[in-house]
Amino acid sequence: GQQVMQIPQYQHVQEGEDFTTYCNSSTTLSNIQWYKQRPGGHPVFLIQLVKSGEVKKQKRLTFQFGEAKKNSSLHITATQTTDVGTYFCAGPWDSNYQLIWGAGTKLIIKP
Amino acid sequence: NAGVTQTPKFQVLKTGQSMTLQCAQDMNHEYMSWYRQDPGMGLRLIHYSVGAGITDQGEVPNGYNVSRSTTEDFPLRLLSAAPSQTSVYFCASSYSIGTDYEQYFGPGTRLTVT
Repeated sequence: GQQVMQIPQYQHVQEGEDFTTYCNSSTTLSNIQWYKQRPGGHPVFLIQLVKSGEVKKQKRLTFQFGEAKKNSSLHITATQTTDVGTYFCAGPWDSNYQLIWGAGTKLIIKP
Repeated sequence: NAGVTQTPKFQVLKTGQSMTLQCAQDMNHEYMSWYRQDPGMGLRLIHYSVGAGITDQGEVPNGYNVSRSTTEDFPLRLLSAAPSQTSVYFCASSYSIGTDYEQYFGPGTRLTVT
C-alpha cells in the first residue's frame, strides 16, 4: 500500500546549526503537508505544498516539493531552542482529507 | 473559538472495558477524523467523517466505532479495550471545500489499557 517514509528519525544539532528532514512517497502526491509537534503537544499545521518543484519559505524554514511530487524536504536555518519538536510530513491517502503520515523527525538541540 | 476540544485528557482502562472519547469543534468544519499516535510513529487514521451522518474507516479501524450525528461532535468508542490500544488519540477537523486541507488538532487523549 501507499507509504510515506521520513528520514532521519532523530537529528541532534547545536543551536545555530541547520536541520533538514526528508520525506519520500511511494506514489505521486497531489499535495503534501508539514506539521510540527512540540513535546507533549498536538500536531500544528505549518504549510501545504501543491505544485511540482514548489519552494516556500517561512522565516528560517524552507519547504520544497520535488519535481515528480514524490518527495519533499524541510530545512531550518540556524536552529533555535523554539524549533525543538518533531516534524511530520503527511500526504493524501484516498482523498485530500485522509492523510498518510511519515514517522517524523525529532529535532534535538544539544546542551 | 475553542477550536477542537477533546475529553478526557487522560484515561486508564482495564482490558475489556468500553469507553467513549469525546471530540467537538466549533469551526463549522465538515471533515473530522480520529488518529492514534504510538511512540516513534506518525499518526494513523482510525475513522473519518466528511459530514453529519457520514463516516468511513481509515487505516486502523478495528476495535473502534464512530458516529457523527451533528457537525460539531465526533465521538470515538472503544468497544472492548485491549492493551494494544494504549496510545495517544487525536481528533482533527478541516474545511472540506477549496484547496486548503489544513487539519486542526485537539490536545489529545492519553489512554492506557492495563
